[in-house]
Amino acid sequence: EVQLVESGGGLVQPGRSLRLSCIVSGFTFGGYGMSWVRQAPGKGLEWVGFIKSKAFGGTTEYAASVKGRFTISRDDSKSIAYLQMNSLKTEDTAVYYCTRAALDDGGRYYFDHWGQGALVTVSS
Amino acid sequence: DIQMTQSPSSLSASVGDRVTITCRASQNIDRDLNWYQQKPGKAPKLLIYAASTLQSGVPSRFSGSGSGTDFTLTISSLQPEDFSTYYCHQSYGTPQTFGQGTKVEIK
Repeated sequence: EVQLVESGGGLVQPGRSLRLSCIVSGFTFGGYGMSWVRQAPGKGLEWVGFIKSKAFGGTTEYAASVKGRFTISRDDSKSIAYLQMNSLKTEDTAVYYCTRAALDDGGRYYFDHWGQGALVTVSS
Repeated sequence: DIQMTQSPSSLSASVGDRVTITCRASQNIDRDLNWYQQKPGKAPKLLIYAASTLQSGVPSRFSGSGSGTDFTLTISSLQPEDFSTYYCHQSYGTPQTFGQGTKVEIK
């Protein structure tokens, strides 16, 4: 059974840092890209960023709202994806989901498995 | 950035109704369009990927169509468990983007 479990959320002051972890099981982690998606309270889904598998270069992409402040990384030996969040702002308050990014035959990405989410609250 | 516009933002329907949700992209995204269902307090669930491919385990009353800029999610006969919020998502360009969501409520 595929499982993704986020941890590391909590209350943090503006300007501080926090790191989320996404521990996965039930599939070969190294063979997949991973993405982070967030949802502010009462709002819709917002794509945060993406890390490709090593086979596709392991490169990262970010939303403009977090570029330069957030960093996505992966440890294939531990089957963990990370979201390092620096210089946090009150508008970063959200539930953060990690997702598995599968590829279809046409090379299109889609998010077929999601974690339960980790709440990050940025407030003084 | 590619903007995804869903319509309607919300709708009221009855069990057994046929429901159609539309997603329009601000530029051509080929068939790089996915649909998710989200219930309150839960993570989204993948329904359709690559515009029209039904995810394994998803009931066949869900279907997707479209290519280019215009896409549709159809529920052929609405069931009680389908009352949720639905999101489209494009993975064609960076940044990837979601529609604003369509809330399907009980009439």
